Amino acid sequence: DVKVTQSSRYLVKRTGEKVFLECVQDMDHENMFWYRQDPGLGLRLIYFSYDVKMKEKGDIPEGYSVSREKKERFSLILESASTNQTSMYLCASSLPRRGKYEQYFGPGTRLTVT
Amino acid sequence: RKEVEQDPGPFNVPEGATVAFNCTYSNSASQSFFWYRQDCRKEPKLLMSVYSSGNEDGRFTAQLNRASQYISLLIRDSKLSDSATYLCVVIRYGQNFVFGPGTRLSVLP
Repeated sequence: DVKVTQSSRYLVKRTGEKVFLECVQDMDHENMFWYRQDPGLGLRLIYFSYDVKMKEKGDIPEGYSVSREKKERFSLILESASTNQTSMYLCASSLPRRGKYEQYFGPGTRLTVT
Repeated sequence: RKEVEQDPGPFNVPEGATVAFNCTYSNSASQSFFWYRQDCRKEPKLLMSVYSSGNEDGRFTAQLNRASQYISLLIRDSKLSDSATYLCVVIRYGQNFVFGPGTRLSVLP
């Protein structure tokens, strides 16, 4: 059974703190993604990775960085958390095969920055 | 203008009703199209792909109109368990997904 896990379901951090969100998938997928989801705005892509040590900016990368040292793990880093980064963060993975476009999502991390 | 737009709803329909959602996209180079379903406080999951010829999966029918740049989802004989948010998804290129904001459906007993 396909599985994407995220390190925390709920997280509360203070402004200025460095925040790490971890995502692990057990499906041997090459592609991994980080999104944030906000009411009325839908899911917005922050960063994605096609392979180990590779990363590409999405639509809203400002204030975030990522790390992919191992194929199964994709980390999202908030260098200095701000209140406008309060959101639901969703990790996803997929296979880069022609015709195979399904993204599998983790359960999400609801981050509150105070 | 957002790249993918949907009516946020909510659509409140009685059990057994037929309901249709539309989604418009602005990038004419978009390659692939999908509907995802997201239950309250859960992650999105793939519902179905959308093909130009139209496709059906049980009570669900998806259509794509490339000329007008819209995608539709039709649900027949609505069930209580169909209550969810339906996300329209467009792929620009490769695996670059763009999600719409979603349409909320409530099926009422």
